[in-house]
Amino acid sequence: GAVVSQHPSRVICKSGTSVKIECRSLDFQATTMFWYRQFPKQSLMLMATSNEGSKATYEQGVEKDKFLINHASLTLSTLTVTSAHPEDSSFYICSASDRVGGNQPQHFGDGTRLSIL
Amino acid sequence: SQKIEQNSEALNIQEGKTATLTCNYTNYSPAYLQWYRQDPGRGPVFLLLIRENEKEKRKERLKVTFDTTLKQSLFHITASQPADSATYLCAPPKGFGNEKLTFGTGTRLTIIP
Repeated sequence: GAVVSQHPSRVICKSGTSVKIECRSLDFQATTMFWYRQFPKQSLMLMATSNEGSKATYEQGVEKDKFLINHASLTLSTLTVTSAHPEDSSFYICSASDRVGGNQPQHFGDGTRLSIL
Repeated sequence: SQKIEQNSEALNIQEGKTATLTCNYTNYSPAYLQWYRQDPGRGPVFLLLIRENEKEKRKERLKVTFDTTLKQSLFHITASQPADSATYLCAPPKGFGNEKLTFGTGTRLTIIP
């Protein structure tokens, strides 16, 4: 089945550091990938849609300069949390579909737990 | 505003019984609805998708119903097992024909041996 790999699985770093998270589709191509954030005991909140070869589209309230997204190839999207602060600590998860169009299941990575000290 | 509500944050069911989880939505008219399972510290895993013209969908011990009049989807696990313990999320699309999903807060299901 379709597999999405996320790396790293856990990051602990100091405040002010920028952190890059990778999301790869291993056995399919994805023109679109999604980035979510999940706080403890809360649901997944969509942050942005990553589009291969073009700019990402961000959900309302998500700072595009804070969360930089690059989708340089059909199998890789990266999320960079710039100048991270403790309030950015969260579980970040990406997803992609191996089929085009709405009405398709999403395949999720296993998430990256980001802890900013 | 659009809202998804899943019944009870936590649900405990005796092993072997049927677990029924509820997903109610308001200010949506979803053409379909998806259900996912999420284990602690992991990403969600897709389980089932049901379309608005389908009353019921089954996959092994799982069954989903979709009532667009009641604006509700029910998710059943029959002959439940401790390995079914997880958080279950319902996810309608953000808008018509939209790939984007919105997620409920989930129901944390525990199957008691």
